[in-house]
Amino acid sequence: SQTIHQWPATLVQPVGSPLSLECTVEGTSNPNLYWYRQAAGRGLQLLFYSVGIGQISSEVPQNLSASRPQDRQFILSSKKLLLSDSGFYLCAWSTQVRYNEQFFGPGTRLTVL
Amino acid sequence: QKEVEQNSGPLSVPEGAIASLNCTYSDRGSQSFFWYRQYSGKSPELIMSIYSNGDKEDGRFTAQLNKASQYVSLLIRDSQPSDSATYLCAVNSRSQGAQKLVFGQGTRLTINP
Repeated sequence: SQTIHQWPATLVQPVGSPLSLECTVEGTSNPNLYWYRQAAGRGLQLLFYSVGIGQISSEVPQNLSASRPQDRQFILSSKKLLLSDSGFYLCAWSTQVRYNEQFFGPGTRLTVL
Repeated sequence: QKEVEQNSGPLSVPEGAIASLNCTYSDRGSQSFFWYRQYSGKSPELIMSIYSNGDKEDGRFTAQLNKASQYVSLLIRDSQPSDSATYLCAVNSRSQGAQKLVFGQGTRLTINP
């Protein structure tokens, strides 16, 4: 069966510090991978998606970036965090089929102070 | 802008009753529709997928789709306190050659014992 991992689970960072969140998927090959952010009391905002190694599409211009160095690894980064970057960061995967059924990881709760 | 609309609630239902959650969407080309359940502080969990008009039943859950009216709903029969959560409607849309899920803001459901 497929499993998706995210770490860390929680993170408290000062404004201006760097960020690296990691997501890995087990039990499937060549998945589509997604990064979402959910601000407190708000809906899911798609940040990045990837259909393959090294292929990243950005949905929202901001100070975040994403990379996919391996087939089942997806990394979200920032060089300098802003207060507005606080939120619940979710990684999701789907298979390369037309229905795009997505499954979410446990998430990382980021607080920027 | 492709949109998914849900009543944010809160929706309060007595235990044992039927909870009815509704969602409308703007993209007539959408082919797949999903309901996610999200407990407070947790990540979304996929509970129902529906791809064709009509009803789809899975245990106490029934998803209903009407593509002509651009309407999808979720019925929860014999509601239990453990069903108290936020329910997210998601619609698959194709944009710039990629398939993406567009999420509604979610409906907060409370089941009263």
